[in-house]
Amino acid sequence: QVQLVESGGGLVKPGGSLRLSCEASGFTFSDHYMSWIRQTPGKGLEWLSYISSSGTTYYTRSLRGRITVTRDNAEKSVSLQINNLRADDTGVYYCARSGLQYLGQLTAWGLGTLVTVSS
Amino acid sequence: DIQMTQSPSSLSASVGDRIILTCQASQDVRKFVNWYQQKPGKAPKLLFSDASNLETGVPSRFNGSGSGTRFAFTITSLQPEDVATYYCQQFYDLPYTFGQGSRLEIK
Repeated sequence: QVQLVESGGGLVKPGGSLRLSCEASGFTFSDHYMSWIRQTPGKGLEWLSYISSSGTTYYTRSLRGRITVTRDNAEKSVSLQINNLRADDTGVYYCARSGLQYLGQLTAWGLGTLVTVSS
Repeated sequence: DIQMTQSPSSLSASVGDRIILTCQASQDVRKFVNWYQQKPGKAPKLLFSDASNLETGVPSRFNGSGSGTRFAFTITSLQPEDVATYYCQQFYDLPYTFGQGSRLEIK
């Protein structure tokens, strides 16, 4: 069955960095766009980024310059690097798979990884 | 950015009730709206795409409708397992945006 497993979250000090990973299984990973979405107390669900099968990326305007998303189709994984973390980055970070018809349809989600930014 | 506004923000209803949740977009998003269900402690799950297309395996008591700026999500007969927060999301224009959610509880 389709499975997405995020890792890499944890407690980090303001100004620090984190690299989150997402391992995929149960589907042809290279066929799908992948996205990162976060859920924070302040903003709720927020779409951060997508990456195409070939590595083309989109980043939401508010985080451009602080995040980088990469993927490895051979390893069936996607990563999110976040720099200069702030308290309002605290939340659960999900990776999600897009449907084959529309990038905007998130047809499978991982369970998420919790990021806490605090001194 | 396109704002998605959901109402009500929370609702308490009885088993068997008909439930209607609404979602209003700040501009025309045509039919490009999805609905997700998020149960406590779980990831969101896609229920509907393109405003009204039911995903495989989703119970038929769920229904989606609308286009343009006004969308609705209906549960024809509320069941205990429907306790969750429901989110609309537009994918007409980047950045794709979510509503703030409608939290549904059983009386």
